[in-house]
Amino acid sequence: QQQVKQSPQSLIVQKGGISIINCAYENTAFDYFPWYQQFPGKGPALLIAIRPDVSEKKEGRFTISFNKSAKQFSLHIMDSQPGDSATYFCAASSGGYQKVTFGIGTKLQVIP
Amino acid sequence: DSGVTQTPKHLITATGQRVTLRCSPRSGDLSVYWYQQSLDQGLQFLIQYYNGEERAKGNILERFSAQQFPDLHSELNLSSLELGDSALYFCASSVVGGQNNEQFFGPGTRLTVL
Repeated sequence: QQQVKQSPQSLIVQKGGISIINCAYENTAFDYFPWYQQFPGKGPALLIAIRPDVSEKKEGRFTISFNKSAKQFSLHIMDSQPGDSATYFCAASSGGYQKVTFGIGTKLQVIP
Repeated sequence: DSGVTQTPKHLITATGQRVTLRCSPRSGDLSVYWYQQSLDQGLQFLIQYYNGEERAKGNILERFSAQQFPDLHSELNLSSLELGDSALYFCASSVVGGQNNEQFFGPGTRLTVL
């Protein structure tokens, strides 16, 4: 059962454009929603995360928008750069022992 | 560098064999997680240990087992290997109970089963 659905699976954006990746979840017990960034040959690394008590969180060019009623959240990358080309995973977790459920991943390519 | 180390980096073996993957968590992290990453399945959670005890189990096959030792390093044992077990295996660690639930991932072990 895929508890976190992520789309699209691949995305091509021109340099300077906005990259948008969407995720939806089913389990209302989830209380922590991180986004991880993975470059080829590397392990995933935390990019930005949000808790459901806020609707938006911004860190530099990266913004998470969160809609609790719709059980959806999204990552926006403003002014996308070729260096942002990577695979992005949304995730969700709950409880004290932080078992994390990952989305399928989105391979982002930013072209010059 | 996340501070999580994994060995070996690459492993090539044959079907039916058994291998052991090793992970050392960041200093101070008590929780260790194992993930399998394949092209068509994304990141699949396998199992989590906290301070030596199993805490959560995901899609881990019966042929696979793991443990966390008193020094907090962890090993993932894969036996009776099949071609479909070829994947990247990641270990991650975290500080459980903190405000930031960030998991720190190691560089992974690439397993190829021939």
